[in-house]
Amino acid sequence: QVQLQESGPGLVKPSETLSLTCTVSGYSISSGYYWGWIRQPPGKGLEWIGSIYHSGSTYYNPSLKSRVTISVDTSKNQFSLKLSSVTAADTAVYYCASIVSGAATISNWGQGTLVTVSS
Amino acid sequence: EIVLTQSPGTLSLSPGERATLSCRASQSVSSSYLAWYQQKPGQAPRLLIYGASSRATGIPDRFSGSGSGTDFTLTISRLEPEDFAVYYCQQYGSSRYTFGQGTKLEIK
Repeated sequence: QVQLQESGPGLVKPSETLSLTCTVSGYSISSGYYWGWIRQPPGKGLEWIGSIYHSGSTYYNPSLKSRVTISVDTSKNQFSLKLSSVTAADTAVYYCASIVSGAATISNWGQGTLVTVSS
Repeated sequence: EIVLTQSPGTLSLSPGERATLSCRASQSVSSSYLAWYQQKPGQAPRLLIYGASSRATGIPDRFSGSGSGTDFTLTISRLEPEDFAVYYCQQYGSSRYTFGQGTKLEIK
């Protein structure tokens, strides 16, 4: 069973870079899923941020593409998110997830981590 | 970008009743790439249905999905107390994922 756990600062200042890491357990990150980030502002719906394959191929939400970088570290079985130039609108619960490549289905989710953008 | 519109926004029903949730796409969606998720307060979403009609592992058979093209439906045949939650549809196309805005299923 794939398990995912987000980690990173819960508070980021405006204009700075949000950085989160997702540690995968119970499954090798090189074995075939895509890996993704999804966020949810407080009281609102879900927004896909981007996805990465273990080869390094990335796919980003066009609305965030200029500010997002997703990378993978197969040696640590982790993947990471960087979101630059954050504003209060980036305050959200950030989820990491596994995505079944053949079905484009988000099969497993981390518990989520709240990141607040505030000075 | 394909926009998914869910209706109703809120559905008030009693345990034992049948729930029908709608997801309408702004353009045709491959059935292979249409999924439904359940989210309870303070929890991550949970996959219910993938490929428009296939139940995920461990999902009770009172949950069913149907539809094609631009119109998809999630049906809960007999509501249990634990089914009251927010439900999202999601599609994949043109290398991007989009979600509906959600339907809140509340106890009447």
